[in-house]
Amino acid sequence: DTAVSQTPKYLVTQMGNDKSIKCEQNLGHDTMYWYKQDSKKFLKIMFSYNNKELIINETVPNRFSPKSPDKAHLNLHINSLELGDSAVYFCASSYELGPQHFGDGTRLSIL
Amino acid sequence: AQTVTQSQPEMSVQEAETVTLSCTYDTSESDYYLFWYKQPPSRQMILVIRQEAYKQQNATENRFSVNFQKAAKSFSLKISDSQLGDAAMYFCAYSSGSARQLTFGSGTQLTVLP
Repeated sequence: DTAVSQTPKYLVTQMGNDKSIKCEQNLGHDTMYWYKQDSKKFLKIMFSYNNKELIINETVPNRFSPKSPDKAHLNLHINSLELGDSAVYFCASSYELGPQHFGDGTRLSIL
Repeated sequence: AQTVTQSQPEMSVQEAETVTLSCTYDTSESDYYLFWYKQPPSRQMILVIRQEAYKQQNATENRFSVNFQKAAKSFSLKISDSQLGDAAMYFCAYSSGSARQLTFGSGTQLTVLP
């Protein structure tokens, strides 16, 4: 009965590779998000998306792209991975102006 | 742009005592929401408490309560009767009424001493 689930929980890969992180929510929420938590634990919004609008944080490189096949899913694709992409990535969801519910995070490590 | 500041990188409290974590924010909007999230070592992000800016009454959730001072743009979290399980990183966060994404502070690492 997991509310927001991300897969995989850990991802170790080589520089230059392309990878995806999947996110699914079963809460019936209308908006989903991706956040990045760096090595100093600082959390920053990357994207927010509902069925009407994608809002992209302007500081996010265009190697990162969100893909939403339906309202319950928002996957994160990353091309040409770099060392600086190593972080924990969190998916979250909310309904209208309600609080956000987070997934357990995906720790991405670039070798 | 909105900013959230947590000026205490680390705090400690004795078990069963009370501790207050500080948070200030900057915004020009009148409609917004404030949150405290807890992140234990398991790295889960757990919502502790939520405050709507239009509500004058301070939010409470069991042992957790806030002191919301709108004019001063201050939003502190008080944890009463601290328990070992309260040990975690605590993040203050802001969202506006129009843009739903959260802006986080840098976090306060809380240690609970037995």
